Amino acid sequence: SAVISQKPSRDICQRGTSLTIQCQVDSQVTMMFWYRQQPGQSLTLIATANQGSEATYESGFVIDKFPISRPNLTFSTLTVSNMSPEDSSIYLCSVRNNYNEQFFGPGTRLTVL
Amino acid sequence: EDKVVQSPLSLVVHEGDTVTLNCSYEVTNFRSLLWYKQEKKAPTFLFMLTSSGIEKKSGRLSSILDKKELFSILNITATQTGDSAVYLCAMTSTDSWGKLQFGAGTQVVVTP
Repeated sequence: SAVISQKPSRDICQRGTSLTIQCQVDSQVTMMFWYRQQPGQSLTLIATANQGSEATYESGFVIDKFPISRPNLTFSTLTVSNMSPEDSSIYLCSVRNNYNEQFFGPGTRLTVL
Repeated sequence: EDKVVQSPLSLVVHEGDTVTLNCSYEVTNFRSLLWYKQEKKAPTFLFMLTSSGIEKKSGRLSSILDKKELFSILNITATQTGDSAVYLCAMTSTDSWGKLQFGAGTQVVVTP
């Protein structure tokens, strides 16, 4: 499986600010996925990030709130903009291998005060 | 609407017991069903089941997929305290490439 790293591991932020989360993979992958897990909830897909094209957002998530960059086949960023306490969650990036198995990065635990 | 339902929501067992976790799903065009173990932040991949691979086994863990009845089972035998975690079931369909739709998870606590 691919080795996935995320930065930061955790952060505490003030409302109204923005945080950019980085995801690095040790091999080239076509699609990268960003998920959110709110406290006590299961995982929900935010968007799919393809290299060289705009990210595809799921219903309920918009680009202005969660802008995504995908500059190459091993890296992506997710920004959480104009944060509110409701954005407190674990944010996870995920990649899929050639067998369609999906693996997750270590996650970023975000707390918004 | 596609849906994944896991049961039970939580259970407590003693070390050495066998645990059976259930995952039922409703999907228009099924592609695969995946099981994950989540201890802290990141889900760890356990198994993927598809039409061409309906049974998987790794050590004390095993899983089956019943495509006719639309459910999957994850079994853990001879449980250890290290098996304590939330176990997540997720499904993909051919309509939404790569998107994992998760169930609520089953919290398993293994006591010494």
